[in-house]
Amino acid sequence: AQSVSQHNHHVILSEAASLELGCNYSYGGTVNLFWYVQYPGQHLQLLLKYFSGDPLVKGIKGFEAEFIKSKFSFNLRKPSVQWSDTAEYFCAVVSGGYNKLIFGAGTRLAVHP
Amino acid sequence: KAGVTQTPRYLIKTRGQQVTLSCSPISGHRSVSWYQQTPGQGLQFLFEYFSETQRNKGNFPGRFSGRQFSNSRSEMNVSTLELGDSALYLCASSQGLARATADTQYFGPGTRLTVL
Repeated sequence: AQSVSQHNHHVILSEAASLELGCNYSYGGTVNLFWYVQYPGQHLQLLLKYFSGDPLVKGIKGFEAEFIKSKFSFNLRKPSVQWSDTAEYFCAVVSGGYNKLIFGAGTRLAVHP
Repeated sequence: KAGVTQTPRYLIKTRGQQVTLSCSPISGHRSVSWYQQTPGQGLQFLFEYFSETQRNKGNFPGRFSGRQFSNSRSEMNVSTLELGDSALYLCASSQGLARATADTQYFGPGTRLTVL
């Protein structure tokens, strides 16, 4: 069965620090990859997505992710985090079935001023 | 465009009861998916509907069912509630594109179900 692993469950950073959240998936075929964010008290929002083409994907709020097929990875990055980036981040993959998103366990990011 | 809306936002039920949750997708979206979010299991796919037909199903017992209406609105029903059904139930809508091209799913705020 397909699975998604997020390596860090909790990350604490100071403002202006760089961020990298790891995501690995198990499926070896064609995949479509997503990062979603859930701010405190808000619903899941799409940060960015990869379907095909350039493996470096840029999303909203300065986030980017790189798809490395050989490593089955889709890590999320941001060069300088802000307090407002405090949230839970979810990596997800769709493979095979229609719209069946497989989510990772999530990473809780806390950014201190 | 208005986003995905879910009603009610909060529900409290007792074991053995049944519950129906409602989801209105973004205008023009034909696919509706349902997910369960719990602290222990995370986000898990329940099922997806497109043009009133269930296209995909997750690994949940038959107590969990759903349907979609001709206007793409969807309902999810859970019968014979158990304590473990307490969760945030999320609905997501998408255009419902062909299989070869993945849709982008947009999520609603969820319905928080508490089973006592």
